[in-house]
Amino acid sequence: IAGITQAPTSQILAAGRRMTLRCTQDMRHNAMYWYRQDLGLGLRLIHYSNTAGTTGKGEVPDGYSVSRANTDDFPLTLASAVPSQTSVYFCASSLSGGNSPLHFGNGTRLTVT
Amino acid sequence: AQSVTQLGSHVSVSEGALVLLRCNYSSSVPPYLFWYVQYPNQGLQLLLKYTTGATLVKGINGFEAEFKKSETSFHLTKPSAHMSDAAEYFCAVSDTVQGAQKLVFGQGTRLTINP
Repeated sequence: IAGITQAPTSQILAAGRRMTLRCTQDMRHNAMYWYRQDLGLGLRLIHYSNTAGTTGKGEVPDGYSVSRANTDDFPLTLASAVPSQTSVYFCASSLSGGNSPLHFGNGTRLTVT
Repeated sequence: AQSVTQLGSHVSVSEGALVLLRCNYSSSVPPYLFWYVQYPNQGLQLLLKYTTGATLVKGINGFEAEFKKSETSFHLTKPSAHMSDAAEYFCAVSDTVQGAQKLVFGQGTRLTINP
């Protein structure tokens, strides 16, 4: 079934540790995104990528980095986790263009202690 | 800068009653508008979208929304609520023409259906 796969599903992480959230899509979408979801704040864009080899900063990029080595994969790295990064993280993908809907993964629930 | 305001973080209706979820946006250019639904422990799914043309947009599961430029609104409605409609609903706006779709989301409205 075509879609987006995120791993892990959930993770408890000690503050200061490094963590990479994985995201893979098989829809050959050019654009990919990482959002975080926090209660009362909706979803906020962390980083995005227009196409393989390019990335851009979203609304809340600090403390996060991404790479886009190929079309399918878009990992999100927390270099040194802090408790404020406790959140649910969603990866998404879309075709390019303003009216293209996003397709979301099922999320990674991350708790930083 | 774009923004989205969803009025009411929690809406509760009886089964069979009208569902009305409110969304107001701000955008400096003609926007693309979206409603997404999120069921527990899942990602978001597209309900409907407005891009251009007809201002009344029909989506999945009997939902529809009307784009009103003069009111900068894009409220979501369904004539008769079903228990399966219980979920969280997000309104989103974009002014992207090319490239990655940088959506700005509202804070969400949790819809509860009472039997």
